[in-house]
Amino acid sequence: GAGVSQSPRYKVAKRGQDVALRCDPISGHVSLFWYQQALGQGPEFLTYFQNEAQLDKSGLPSDRFFAERPEGSVSTLKIQRTQQEDSAVYLCASSQVVGAGGDDYGYTFGSGTRLTVV
Amino acid sequence: QKEVEQDPGPLSVPEGAIVSLNCTYSNSAFQYFMWYRQYSRKGPELLMYTYSSGNKEDGRFTAQVDKSSKYISLFIRDSQPSDSATYLCAMSLNTGGFKTIFGAGTRLFVKA
Repeated sequence: GAGVSQSPRYKVAKRGQDVALRCDPISGHVSLFWYQQALGQGPEFLTYFQNEAQLDKSGLPSDRFFAERPEGSVSTLKIQRTQQEDSAVYLCASSQVVGAGGDDYGYTFGSGTRLTVV
Repeated sequence: QKEVEQDPGPLSVPEGAIVSLNCTYSNSAFQYFMWYRQYSRKGPELLMYTYSSGNKEDGRFTAQVDKSSKYISLFIRDSQPSDSATYLCAMSLNTGGFKTIFGAGTRLFVKA
C-alpha cells in the first residue's frame, strides 16, 4: 500500500480484556516499529522487528504486551488483561533502512490506534 | 530527568513570523537528529533529518544541531496557518538498533 495502515483506528476495552492491534507496513519495508504515545507526550519505543525477527523488545512495559510479525510483513501488538494505564495511541512505523544512515533515515508512521481502557 | 527535553508550548505566532523550536538532550552519543510534524489524530511525519552537527535547509525549514551544547533547533520561515501542528524533535544513536527517543512535542499555532 501507499502508507502504513493500522486497524482498528479506535478501540475501547473493558479493564481486563485482551486486545489485538494490527499494522500493515509499507510493502517491502524490512523494519517495523511499535511506539506508544500517551496524551501530550512524544512517542515511546516499544519494540522493533527486522523482517520477522524481533530484535529489540526493551520498551515493552510488561509481560502483558506481546508483538509478532510472523511472515515479515503484517505485525500484531497484543495486550493482555488491559489496564487503565494502557490507554494511549499505539503507533506503528516502518522503514526501508536496515542500518542507520542516509538521507532517507526516518520512519513512516501510521495514524495509530487509539486505545481507551474503561 | 528525561533524555530529551522539549518545551510543550503552546506557541502562538502570527502568519509570516519566523518560528524557532528547540530541544536539549543529555546523551552525547546521539548522532541522528530529526524533526517530525504531527497533525491532530495523525501519525508523525518526518520533516528534517540531520546527521551529527551542522545546519540543513529545506525550503522554509532549517534544522540546526549543536552537539557541543546538546541543543537542536528547527526554524520555520514565513510561517503559514497550515504549519499549525505539534513538532517533535527526535534523536537516535549511531550504533545498531533503531530506538528513537522523542521529545514531548511543541504545539504551534499560526494565526491567519
